[in-house]
Amino acid sequence: AQRVTQPEKLLSVFKGAPVELKCNYSYSGSPELFWYVQYSRQRLQLLLRHISRESIKGFTADLNKGETSFHLKKPFAQEEDSAMYYCALMSAGGTSYGKLTFGQGTILTVHP
Amino acid sequence: DVKVTQSSRYLVKRTGEKVFLECVQDMDHENMFWYRQDPGLGLRLIYFSYDVKMKEKGDIPEGYSVSREKKERFSLILESASTNQTSMYLCASSFRQREGRKNEQYFGPGTRLTVT
Repeated sequence: AQRVTQPEKLLSVFKGAPVELKCNYSYSGSPELFWYVQYSRQRLQLLLRHISRESIKGFTADLNKGETSFHLKKPFAQEEDSAMYYCALMSAGGTSYGKLTFGQGTILTVHP
Repeated sequence: DVKVTQSSRYLVKRTGEKVFLECVQDMDHENMFWYRQDPGLGLRLIYFSYDVKMKEKGDIPEGYSVSREKKERFSLILESASTNQTSMYLCASSFRQREGRKNEQYFGPGTRLTVT
């Protein structure tokens, strides 16, 4: 069974400090991993996916298959980064139909 | 721009009532999903549908049923609402999974359901 774990429910940093949101997964195959974000009073939206190897709003995430991790990082946090962040795993192919398994979420608060 | 809309933002129902939550998407997506979002538990999949009239149970289907009569519309039904179904319900849609495709799920704004 696949599983996604975000060990921190809450994370607080000051503006300009580095931030890392942790995500670990368990999955026997080759997963596709995502970070979704929900800003206050907005809908949940995709932040980035590991396949794209992109940087969005200064955030990056590297898939580490050895450690089964997909941590989200940003070198200098901004107040507008305050939000709920979810790590999600999509199992590849078969009859998975693109289902996502989400972690428990981490609320990031960036203080001025 | 992808649009996923949900029929209500807030809903208050009494225990035992039958509740319908509607979701509509305008992107011709094959897949549609219903999740509930609870603090500390993240998003949990209730049901999903990969085609018209097709449905599959998710992780927590008990107490729920779904209907997909048209491609753009996916309904979540609480046959007899209970207080433990008080939650935020999110609908999402996506294209059928394909290698190399973006495989992104697009979410609706959510319906906050309170069962008293």
